[in-house]
Amino acid sequence: GESVGLHLPTLSVQEGDNSIINCAYSNSASDYFIWYKQESGKGPQFIIDIRSNMDKRQGQRVTVLLNKTVKHLSLQIAATQPGDSAVYFCAENSDNQGGKLIFGQGTELSVKP
Amino acid sequence: GAGVSQSPRYKVAKRGQDVALRCDPISGHVSLFWYQQALGQGPEFLTYFQNEAQLDKSGLPSDRFFAERPEGSVSTLKIQRTQQEDSAVYLCASSLTGLGEKLFFGSGTQLSVL
Repeated sequence: GESVGLHLPTLSVQEGDNSIINCAYSNSASDYFIWYKQESGKGPQFIIDIRSNMDKRQGQRVTVLLNKTVKHLSLQIAATQPGDSAVYFCAENSDNQGGKLIFGQGTELSVKP
Repeated sequence: GAGVSQSPRYKVAKRGQDVALRCDPISGHVSLFWYQQALGQGPEFLTYFQNEAQLDKSGLPSDRFFAERPEGSVSTLKIQRTQQEDSAVYLCASSLTGLGEKLFFGSGTQLSVL
């Protein structure tokens, strides 16, 4: 289930299931989006990115979907594995924010074996 | 090196002490970024260099924070007269050219101010 508040939103899935992590962004001028994975004690690790002229991009076991109409980004992970357990951050970039990456709050993914 | 390297990995400072955090970016990467990450939060932008030029320091929380990259490679983030609210993980990232592209992050320096 999900919880929001003082703690990170969490998503708990069974190993082998597909996971969907969602992200809402507020800046309609954002034109580049990235998903990062962060394991405990490590820095964010790049997963996949997408530019605003696309609405879908696929990688190995991951797909990013971009809906600019409702300013929504999602990360789909196929056949989720225990090694996918981590915190996932979306980040956006736009020229009117000086071109730097702005990160969202993050979602904690927990994979049950 | 193969990735972004940061040192020290952990730093404990007494309130009022000065600290210096080092970042060694990926060789050949033009741009370097510093982010601050509080527990349970996403990284927040501090400052950005392109080569040796500091092009954006809008995220530095106060004038106690100072960053430099004198030769366009290694960077140092200095925090003077540390306060408890400075406790966080400080992440360094680099990118091949500049803005609007993916960043490669180091493992960070965890700073604890007592």
